[in-house]
Amino acid sequence: AQSVAQPEDQVNVAEGNPLTVKCTYSVSGNPYLFWYVQYPNRGLQFLLKYITGDNLVKGSYGFEAEFNKSQTSFHLKKPSALVSDSALYFCAVRDWGNFNKFYFGSGTKLNVKP
Amino acid sequence: GAVVSQHPSWVICKSGTSVKIECRSLDFQATTMFWYRQFPKQSLMLMATSNEGSKATYEQGVEKDKFLINHASLTLSTLTVTSAHPEDSSFYICSARPADTDTQYFGPGTRLTVL
Repeated sequence: AQSVAQPEDQVNVAEGNPLTVKCTYSVSGNPYLFWYVQYPNRGLQFLLKYITGDNLVKGSYGFEAEFNKSQTSFHLKKPSALVSDSALYFCAVRDWGNFNKFYFGSGTKLNVKP
Repeated sequence: GAVVSQHPSWVICKSGTSVKIECRSLDFQATTMFWYRQFPKQSLMLMATSNEGSKATYEQGVEKDKFLINHASLTLSTLTVTSAHPEDSSFYICSARPADTDTQYFGPGTRLTVL
């Protein structure tokens, strides 16, 4: 079975500092991993995905994620946080057998303080 | 590109009535659309997968007679909550997948409140 875990309910960071939002995965087969962001009362916005290739994936709004197979992690990062990055972030993995099915993590609330 | 809209953005209804929520892919064709439910401060729960021109596939525990899904065209799917009750109050989010990718693009969500 496929699953992702986001160990932190909340991450606090000061504006201008680097940020990391953690995600670990458990899959049978090759992992297809995604990051989405959700602003209050809005749907999810796609940030980036890892299918294959380079372990460092670059996405929207200056975000990037690092795929680490040995640690089964896919952490989301940004070199310099903005207040406007404050939102709820979801990691997801696509089902290996049913590519229509995504499993989402519990979400991590990112707070960026001025 | 890859914009998905939902209508209405919020709805309040009386218990026992039915509510229809529309999901549209505005700039692409979506052979597959998905309906999720999100409870406060929780993750998304997949309710059903909708394929254009065929019956929806419901996840275990989701009542297909209560949550009617119709995918009438390549750009439109609807979710009808029949005989709504207060416990159906939730945030409903749809997503759509273009044919040439496995990325899902999400709508802005619909907040349903059943009184």
